[in-house]
Formats: sequence, C-alpha cells, structure tokens
Amino acid sequence: DQQVKQNSPSLSVQEGRISILNCDYTNSMFDYFLWYKKYPAEGPTFLISISSIKDKNEDGRFTVFLNKSAKHLSLHIVPSQPGDSAVYFCAASDPGGGADGLTFGKGTHLIIQP
Amino acid sequence: KAGVTQTPRYLIKTRGQQVTLSCSPISGHRSVSWYQQTPGQGLQFLFEYFSETQRNKGNFPGRFSGRQFSNSRSEMNVSTLELGDSALYLCASSKGPSSYEQYFGPGTRLTVT
Repeated sequence: DQQVKQNSPSLSVQEGRISILNCDYTNSMFDYFLWYKKYPAEGPTFLISISSIKDKNEDGRFTVFLNKSAKHLSLHIVPSQPGDSAVYFCAASDPGGGADGLTFGKGTHLIIQP
Repeated sequence: KAGVTQTPRYLIKTRGQQVTLSCSPISGHRSVSWYQQTPGQGLQFLFEYFSETQRNKGNFPGRFSGRQFSNSRSEMNVSTLELGDSALYLCASSKGPSSYEQYFGPGTRLTVT
C-alpha cells in the first residue's frame, strides 16, 4: 500500500522548458512534504520542502505546489537545465518530523534533453 | 561543512555472511537514520538513532541491527545475508529526532551473491 506515489517513472523535457514532477499521497495526516534529487552513485540531496499550511514554496528555479484537497503536490523547475537530469523523490512526513515518519515515493527520472 | 560520509562505498558478500556498514554524520547532527533503497521498493526506513539510542525501527527482520556511538557515528549490521539484501544502504543525518530534513550520504552498494 503506497502512501506516496510518483506515477511517472521517467520524464523527458527539453532544455529551457518547464519540468513538472507530480506526487500523490493518500494519508491526510501528512503535514510536511519534501523533494529530494538524486544523481547516480550519490545519496539523495534535499531540494525543497513545503508545510501543509502553505500551498506554494519557491526557491530560485524550483517551486513546489501543494493541493491538500486533491492530496497532490508538484515540483516545477523553470527553466530546466542539463544538470537537472536526475531522479527526483517526493517524501511526506507524519506530524512531528523524524526519519521514521518520512515516506518516500519511488522516484521519477527526469531527463533534460539539449 | 563536510557532508555525511559512508564506508565502504561498495561491498560484495556471499549468502550467510554478515556485514557492517559505517556512517559519519554532518558535524553537529545528532540523529542518524538508515534506509534501504531497492528498485522495486524505493527508499525504506530501517532505523533511527539519537543519543546512542534506537528511537524507531522500520519493518525489517532482526538480522538488521545498528548502533550509535557517543560521537554520533553509526554502524549498521546485517547478519546471515540473503540475496534479497542486495541494495543501496543510505545513511542520513539530521540535527535532531524531530527534524524533517534528512541529509543523505552517498550510500553503500551491497551485493550479495
């Protein structure tokens, strides 16, 4: 029973265009959401997060949108750059934080084409 | 500030053997967590340590164990290895047990033959 789902295993986007990565969750108790980026042979790197009291958080080229009623969040990357090619994991946290409360999606492999 | 380090990076073991993986957290971070990443299951939580105490454990058999030292460094041990234990084992550190953000190391790729 996957509580955090990333339904697109891979996504191909042209350099300079917008990349939109999607994530759905089922547990309405989740109150904090994170995106991680992972290059081959490296561990995931924290990218951006959003609290359930917000619907948008922006950091440079990265924006995360949260739609609580739809239990859906998305990561927008504008403009997409070659270095953005990586696997992106969505994660959701139970209230109170802590590693044990984090549930990860299975990842979306983003490929930025020149 | 140096990131999370894990040793060794790659390991090949045979079934029935045991293995110990090591993790050094970011300086000042006192929580260390371990995750298993496999293609089919994604990232799964193994356990978390804080102040040398295991706070929580994920749904893994007792063959998986760990410990944390007074300097916050952590080790993970897997005994009686099975083929299905082949995975990338990731260590993550955070400032405390209630931190949302986890900072990951590069992982140890374990192959069991």
